[in-house]
Amino acid sequence: RKEVEQDPGPFNVPEGATVAFNCTYSNSASQSFFWYRQDCRKEPKLLMSVYSSGNEDGRFTAQLNRASQYISLLIRDSKLSDSATYLCVVNWANNNDMRFGAGTRLTVKP
Amino acid sequence: DAGVIQSPRHEVTEMGQEVTLRCKPISGHNSLFWYRQTMMRGLELLIYFNNNVPIDDSGMPEDRFSAKMPNASFSTLKIQPSEPRDSAVYFCASSPMTGWTGELFFGEGSRLTVL
Repeated sequence: RKEVEQDPGPFNVPEGATVAFNCTYSNSASQSFFWYRQDCRKEPKLLMSVYSSGNEDGRFTAQLNRASQYISLLIRDSKLSDSATYLCVVNWANNNDMRFGAGTRLTVKP
Repeated sequence: DAGVIQSPRHEVTEMGQEVTLRCKPISGHNSLFWYRQTMMRGLELLIYFNNNVPIDDSGMPEDRFSAKMPNASFSTLKIQPSEPRDSAVYFCASSPMTGWTGELFFGEGSRLTVL
């Protein structure tokens, strides 16, 4: 089983759509979780942390289910500028060893 | 403020040649990471340092790869000899150890092509 697993997509959605990405992780000892965004031919950048109770940042909502070792990211009212690859990231064994999923590619079309 | 600086941005070399990639972390950050990204395998952690000390190098593919951090402001990743399967984008990232929020600050990457 991969350490951090994501549906690679691609997801092609129209502007204004709601889209959800899922991620599972294999290490039950993991304590911290994040979503990063990577634009084409650019470096990854932090989008948001994922908290146990779930959290929202504008149009973005992140959820964590520790029992199922599952993380999700929901994007509402998607914009053209949301087109990117979204990387699920897990802090491995409570140190600063960060493991990345392969990413889910999103294309938002007019 | 300057971010993480990597060089070279692009390198094309022939199989068997030595490749050295360089990284300057953000000043004050004391954790440094080397990642490799390919289409097939995504972003893989190769090695990371805390306070210039290698903590985990289990991701280094084989003996052809080596990494050093001689001081807090400089790290190198060396491949000798290089092979075509080493072609990838190599990212360096840094973070503070204390008060860390989980954010890794990545450089723009070094795109390596081995012919």
